Amino acid sequence: QKEVEQNSGPLSVPEGAIASLNCTYSDRGSQSFFWYRQYSGKSPELIMSIYSNGDKEDGRFTAQLNKASQYVSLLIRDSQPSDSATYLCAVPQGGKLIFGQGTELSVKP
Amino acid sequence: DADVTQTPRNRITKTGKRIMLECSQTKGHDRMYWYRQDPGLGLRLIYYSFDVKDINKGEISDGYSVSRQAQAKFSLSLESAIPNQTALYFCATSEPKYRDGDTDTQYFGPGTRLTVL
Repeated sequence: QKEVEQNSGPLSVPEGAIASLNCTYSDRGSQSFFWYRQYSGKSPELIMSIYSNGDKEDGRFTAQLNKASQYVSLLIRDSQPSDSATYLCAVPQGGKLIFGQGTELSVKP
Repeated sequence: DADVTQTPRNRITKTGKRIMLECSQTKGHDRMYWYRQDPGLGLRLIYYSFDVKDINKGEISDGYSVSRQAQAKFSLSLESAIPNQTALYFCATSEPKYRDGDTDTQYFGPGTRLTVL
């Protein structure tokens, strides 16, 4: 089992819909979780971090963490074509970040 | 000016050549990282450094070496480049939010696209 797993996609949603991206992790001791967005050919940029069980909202983005089930998700409300990118889930481990393989999101106008 | 810079941004080279990719940062962070990215494989860690005297291998260090010349500079070398090292390479920096080893946000450079013919 990979340490951090994501569906590679592509996930396609219509403009204005909710996009739901999921990530599971294997280390039960993990305390913090990150979502990065990466446009094609560009570097990853942090969009959300979450440390506690439950939801964390930032504008159109909501991160959801369930430590008992070992998953973290990212919801994007009112999806826009500019949200089309690859979304990477990352979990810290010993001073490093372990990344999932990323989920490609396509928002169709 | 960008906080994390990488040079060169693009490089085409031939099999067997020695290549150096450079990373500089003005964020004042102690921790620096080198990743490679291949389609469908996400980001894979090559080497990382927690300070100038600390160098650690990542999951795919074979065929690579690094040098931490200063807090702000971390270079990646391919001693004898081969075609399967063709990839997008990223440098990143971070500063621990908590001093127990958990890392906080990583900030990425713009990347170097390397092609080995």
